[in-house]
Amino acid sequence: GENVEQHPSTLSVQEGDSAVIKCTYSDSASNYFPWYKQELGKGPQLIIDIRSNVGEKKDQRIAVTLNKTAKHFSLHITETQPEDSAVYFCAASRGGGADGLTFGKGTHLIIQP
Amino acid sequence: KAGVTQTPRYLIKTRGQQVTLSCSPISGHRSVSWYQQTPGQGLQFLFEYFSETQRNKGNFPGRFSGRQFSNSRSEMNVSTLELGDSALYLCASSLAGGGVTEAFFGQGTRLTVV
Repeated sequence: GENVEQHPSTLSVQEGDSAVIKCTYSDSASNYFPWYKQELGKGPQLIIDIRSNVGEKKDQRIAVTLNKTAKHFSLHITETQPEDSAVYFCAASRGGGADGLTFGKGTHLIIQP
Repeated sequence: KAGVTQTPRYLIKTRGQQVTLSCSPISGHRSVSWYQQTPGQGLQFLFEYFSETQRNKGNFPGRFSGRQFSNSRSEMNVSTLELGDSALYLCASSLAGGGVTEAFFGQGTRLTVV
């Protein structure tokens, strides 16, 4: 089955700096790669996703890049703000939506004021 | 519009008992997926339902089961509870499951087995 590795497990950055979280996957048939943000006491919230036919996608301060050959994808957050503090999860699947997602272990992002 | 609603929010059960959790998807969404979240194993896929049919299943024992009703509401059941079943159980709904479609998670049901 699919295996998703996520690094780092904890990331502390100064407010206003950029944050990068990296994930690798093992199943070459995976074609859907979402990123979720989870705040304390809440369910995961989709913040951006990318399909395998696209190399990069951007939404305001958030961007995701995908390298299918190397089987890795990354989340980039620029101009970080205190409200970006949360746990971020990458995931991979062969389909879409929430069906059969394999999640990474998560990155605790801490924004230092 | 209303989000994904999971009930109850918190639950305490004794080993050996069974439990039923409920998930009401966003109106119009026909796919419901269930996940178990624990500190040690992270988020793990349980199963996915679409139009009352289980289309996909994760690697969990048969004690974990689910169903979906004609109004797309879903329930999951865990029988013969074990201490290791203590977890946050999340459901997510999406319009059609596969394809380019966003999934929305509920806040989860926190199950504690004592």
